[in-house]
Amino acid sequence: GAGVSQSPRYKVAKRGQDVALRCDPISGHVSLFWYQQALGQGPEFLTYFQNEAQLDKSGLPSDRFFAERPEGSVSTLKIQRTQQEDSAVYLCASSLAYQGNYGTDTQYFGPGTRLTVL
Amino acid sequence: AQRVTQPEKLLSVFKGAPVELKCNYSYSGSPELFWYVQYSRQRLQLLLRHISRESIKGFTADLNKGETSFHLKKPFAQEEDSAMYYCALSGIRGSTLGRLYFGRGTQLTVWP
Repeated sequence: GAGVSQSPRYKVAKRGQDVALRCDPISGHVSLFWYQQALGQGPEFLTYFQNEAQLDKSGLPSDRFFAERPEGSVSTLKIQRTQQEDSAVYLCASSLAYQGNYGTDTQYFGPGTRLTVL
Repeated sequence: AQRVTQPEKLLSVFKGAPVELKCNYSYSGSPELFWYVQYSRQRLQLLLRHISRESIKGFTADLNKGETSFHLKKPFAQEEDSAMYYCALSGIRGSTLGRLYFGRGTQLTVWP
């Protein structure tokens, strides 16, 4: 079946521009995560949704970062007034179950969006 | 605070040789440990998790709580094992439930 998809795959933005990154999770997956992966580093947690509820946004680096999942399926990560330090690969992951019922459910990752801010 | 350390950024071995990718962690509680793998031009995918206690593609990993380690091992490396490997942990309760903390990754190259 179809896995997690993300669009666009590549995005080049001029400093100060706003960008929107889209994630389509696996159908029926309750949990959705966003991670940021800087060059040469492992992914770092940004935010977590359970259906449409954003339960954890503690990893968002600044108030320029905003995420939503209004209908509990597709999610959008928006970055306002992009800065060069925002350049990274943004990964989306989804998992089937509610976190906590049986430990951490397997997360399935998308291909990522590579954002370059000039 | 939670932290995952992978001391080797690069690791090279010859085909048929044993391989061990090191992972140490710090976490105030009982974490769940994972190994994720990313093959060239593919997406990040789960390789194995400590609670499953299974061998995947010949790889095993044992959680050593005394040494706070979760090293990944394979007795005979194959060329197709060449990939980036990430160790990760997740809290099993509380505010960190579900979120994954990753190490910086180890690039494994298996030479023919």
